[in-house]
Amino acid sequence: AQSVTQLDSQVPVFEEAPVELRCNYSSSVSVYLFWYVQYPNQGLQLLLKYLSGSTLVKGINGFEAEFNKSQTSFHLRKPSVHISDTAEYFCAVITGGGNKLTFGTGTQLKVEL
Amino acid sequence: SQTIHQWPATLVQPVGSPLSLECTVEGTSNPNLYWYRQAAGRGLQLLFYSVGIGQISSEVPQNLSASRPQDRQFILSSKKLLLSDSGFYLCAWSAGGQGGPQHFGDGTRLSIL
Repeated sequence: AQSVTQLDSQVPVFEEAPVELRCNYSSSVSVYLFWYVQYPNQGLQLLLKYLSGSTLVKGINGFEAEFNKSQTSFHLRKPSVHISDTAEYFCAVITGGGNKLTFGTGTQLKVEL
Repeated sequence: SQTIHQWPATLVQPVGSPLSLECTVEGTSNPNLYWYRQAAGRGLQLLFYSVGIGQISSEVPQNLSASRPQDRQFILSSKKLLLSDSGFYLCAWSAGGQGGPQHFGDGTRLSIL
């Protein structure tokens, strides 16, 4: 069975600094990868997705992620964060052409002044 | 464009009472539908998913059930709520078929007293 690991439960960062949220998955078959953001007491919003093609994918709000098959990683990056980026971020994977998402446990990004 | 509606937004219920949470999707046909639960400070757990009317798959044994009486309607129910049923419940949809991203509703905060 597939699994998704988000090693960092919390990431504090100052405003306008760059940030990277790490995500690793375990699967030996083809994968579709996603990052979601969740603001307090709200549902999850899709940030970006990798289905095929270019390994560097760009999403909303200035975020991007790079699919690295050899390292089974899909890290999320933003070159300059804003206070409004404070939220919980979830990495998720679909494997083997299915339709069920497996989520990581989430990373709380806290942007400080 | 497609939209997903979930209600109610918050609900406080006594132990042993019944439950009915509703989710509807607009702007698409034959979607895959999902119910998740998110416990405080934890990731998302898939409870049920459906690929069509009357077709429900249960992911974990529990005190809850799901039904899909219409193509774009998904209902989460319980006959008798337990304290452990407290949490944040999220409905999601994806396009019929495989591998696409899921899109989430705003969630229902359920508190059991």
